[in-house]
Amino acid sequence: GQNIDQPTEMTATEGAIVQINCTYQTSGFNGLFWYQQHAGEAPTFLSYNVLDGLEEKGRFSSFLSRSKGYSYLLLKELQMKDSASYLCAVRDGDYKLSFGAGTTVTVRA
Amino acid sequence: IAGITQAPTSQILAAGRRMTLRCTQDMRHNAMYWYRQDLGLGLRLIHYSNTAGTTGKGEVPDGYSVSRANTDDFPLTLASAVPSQTSVYFCASSYDSEGGEQFFGPGTRLTVL
Repeated sequence: GQNIDQPTEMTATEGAIVQINCTYQTSGFNGLFWYQQHAGEAPTFLSYNVLDGLEEKGRFSSFLSRSKGYSYLLLKELQMKDSASYLCAVRDGDYKLSFGAGTTVTVRA
Repeated sequence: IAGITQAPTSQILAAGRRMTLRCTQDMRHNAMYWYRQDLGLGLRLIHYSNTAGTTGKGEVPDGYSVSRANTDDFPLTLASAVPSQTSVYFCASSYDSEGGEQFFGPGTRLTVL
């Protein structure tokens, strides 16, 4: 089976930066996704990495190192609305997505 | 319709009953998926369909069946519900099975008593 690990919870202050790490061991690799999920809602797509390096999209950035089986999602200038669960998902060799259990980020004023 | 819709929004079901969760998308996506989400376990793939007329088993297919008669609809059936199937069920779709992100429906909260 696939193994995707990310921290369960993180807390940060409004305006600060938070980095959510994700490590993975999968059968093949065809890209890594980050999704945001607010409580009681559906996951929504944030970012996609298939090559090593940093992808920046506004206040959110995602980094990938395929040789280390490692990714992180960086959230800058945190806002209260960023309080949510962040899901790391890896597309394996069969092009199926396997998800981590999610990291709940709480932003405090 | 815009995106993916699921019905019902929530349901309480007696164990042993048959239940079909509905999923419809209007994005003309070829691939569709069913996941269940349980606390502490994340999203797990139940069944998928890469294109109309084909289906495949995911990580946790037992007790569930699907069909894909056309591009837009992908119903999930529980033939005889059990309490361990209490979960939130999400339907998702993507342009195809090998590219692009998956778009998720709003979910169905199912409780089996």
